[in-house]
Amino acid sequence: EIMLTQSPDFQSVSPKENFTITCRASQNIGYDLHWYQQKPGQSPELLIKSASQSMSGVPSRFSGSGSGTDFTLTISSLEAEDAATYFCHQSITLPHTFGQGTKIEIK
Amino acid sequence: QVHLVQSGAEVKKPGSSVKVSCKTSGGTFSSFSVSWVRQAPGQGLEWMGRTIPILGTTNYAQKFQGRITIIADKSTATAYLDLISLRYEDTAIYYCVYSSAWYGAFDIWGQGTVVTVSS
Repeated sequence: EIMLTQSPDFQSVSPKENFTITCRASQNIGYDLHWYQQKPGQSPELLIKSASQSMSGVPSRFSGSGSGTDFTLTISSLEAEDAATYFCHQSITLPHTFGQGTKIEIK
Repeated sequence: QVHLVQSGAEVKKPGSSVKVSCKTSGGTFSSFSVSWVRQAPGQGLEWMGRTIPILGTTNYAQKFQGRITIIADKSTATAYLDLISLRYEDTAIYYCVYSSAWYGAFDIWGQGTVVTVSS
């Protein structure tokens, strides 16, 4: 089973700051890494697929990069609506696995 | 655009079973995959298993082997999750999730079904 480790677990960030979440895989997963945003009381939503492909309708301030074992999700100029928990997910092999999540609080 | 609608909340006793449904619309049901992912209160996401209707295949996480069944009814474009021998720790929100690629991202998520296991 492939383990995904995110950092940090939690961060309080001021509006307009840039923020980066990292996701490290326990083995090479190529580009099969995806990012989701989950707001309180809602289902997760796909933000970025295949490491760097932004989904339609996702604000351009969200971007993803990386390959192999190391990946990042960057949010540029954070807005209040970005308060949420972010998860990474690998799909290269079964079982699918997720990172433990990164909760972002907006100051 | 694919849309997923799940069945309503359930309260179950320990040792009993639960069946959650996921009605799909807006896509070609047989050609994509449907996974089930759960989230315990205040916790992260846990993949339970999936079905690929066009192949007639299912895969389960080892943790749930023997307790889980996922089926796909192509006639109604509905996927089902059956979980037996429920334990208190099965209390969670259960999501059905659509993937357009069999080994790809989880494109669309259902609204979630709350399952509470309580005596």
